[in-house]
Amino acid sequence: GAVVSQHPSWVICKSGTSVKIECRSLDFQATTMFWYRQFPKQSLMLMATSNEGSKATYEQGVEKDKFLINHASLTLSTLTVTSAHPEDSSFYICSARWFRSYNEQFFGPGTRLTVL
Amino acid sequence: KNEVEQSPQNLTAQEGEFITINCSYSVGISALHWLQQHPGGGIVSLFMLSSGKKKHGRLIATINIQEKHSSLHITASHPRDSAVYICAVNPGEYGNKLVFGAGTILRVKS
Repeated sequence: GAVVSQHPSWVICKSGTSVKIECRSLDFQATTMFWYRQFPKQSLMLMATSNEGSKATYEQGVEKDKFLINHASLTLSTLTVTSAHPEDSSFYICSARWFRSYNEQFFGPGTRLTVL
Repeated sequence: KNEVEQSPQNLTAQEGEFITINCSYSVGISALHWLQQHPGGGIVSLFMLSSGKKKHGRLIATINIQEKHSSLHITASHPRDSAVYICAVNPGEYGNKLVFGAGTILRVKS
């Protein structure tokens, strides 16, 4: 149980295009989903927290107009990187939290984004 | 100073060795997590602890709340244990966001 999937697992795009990454909780309802990015040889950095049906809360320094997050249902959150640039190339990971387990997070497999 | 400090940063072991990775934190927490990240990138949650000790197969995790310290032990290590091990905490009484350590890169040689 408690499986989180991400799609796509990797994506290569041209500079200036927008890329959407999906995060799904497959066997539970995720009231909260988290989006992280990870640069090579660094730890995870929280970008934003999204609660189902409400606006995402972004961490300091993360541009909300650049990284659009939608959490329209209890099993799906999407991260859209708008007008992507090479510096947005990174590994993006989502995690999901079940409302009955306040501290526990289940991680997705990650999406590797390369912007040319 | 980071809120979560891990040691060592890098660890190389021979197959079969007993391995310990340490995690110290400086804030009050509601839970501590040990995560495993393989070279492909996906993260697996190994343990979530708020007190005492947990065991799963060859992995053992302990936490001392008073000393703000946790250890992850791997018994009879194997090359497939090679990964990055990350300690993370839920700060505060009702921790929401995770605060991560920098990770420990473990390589187990056969």
